[in-house]
Amino acid sequence: DGGITQSPKYLFRKEGQNVTLSCEQNLNHDAMYWYRQDPGQGLRLIYYSQIVNDFQKGDIAEGYSVSREKKESFPLTVTSAQKNPTAFYLCASSRAGAGVGMSTDTQYFGPGTRLTVL
Amino acid sequence: AQSVAQPEDQVNVAEGNPLTVKCTYSVSGNPYLFWYVQYPNRGLQFLLKYITGDNLVKGSYGFEAEFNKSQTSFHLKKPSALVSDSALYFCAVRDSDNFNKFYFGSGTKLNVKP
Repeated sequence: DGGITQSPKYLFRKEGQNVTLSCEQNLNHDAMYWYRQDPGQGLRLIYYSQIVNDFQKGDIAEGYSVSREKKESFPLTVTSAQKNPTAFYLCASSRAGAGVGMSTDTQYFGPGTRLTVL
Repeated sequence: AQSVAQPEDQVNVAEGNPLTVKCTYSVSGNPYLFWYVQYPNRGLQFLLKYITGDNLVKGSYGFEAEFNKSQTSFHLKKPSALVSDSALYFCAVRDSDNFNKFYFGSGTKLNVKP
């Protein structure tokens, strides 16, 4: 059963804590992404990775960090520097890596993690 | 810079009637356009995409989208709406300079009334 899994589904964070959101895919996709979703604002890109051991900042990377040590995994850490972390976080993947020929590939999304700051 | 706009926050339609969810885009090169649907507290599900070719693209669950280059639009349509189509719909465009970046609209909530 192929797909993208995210855990946990719900996460609560106290002020000043770092938390890590998990994203795993078994689709053999090269590229992985993290988005943040706030009501009425659509999705905003936090970080993306085209290949193992490489990642780039998206539009709202401040206060977040990622790693890509394995092709299947792309965990996101929400640090205490992120002042307004309450949101719905979505992980996605696609076949597209750095190759131009992959430009038509689709992103596939995980079920999301809802993070709430207490 | 690439972007998409969804001018309607909400669309209401009666079951059995045709539906249209609007999307306009702005890209510097060839547009690669996508529609996704999101049910409450779930991830996004891919519906369809336009890359090249026919202006009418058919996708999942009976949805289709019409690409109009002169109007820079990519409206999502369905001939007969179902109550189960009620969800949040997102239009997206792929960055023509960086194929690993997508830009999403703000979303349109579709309400289908019985």
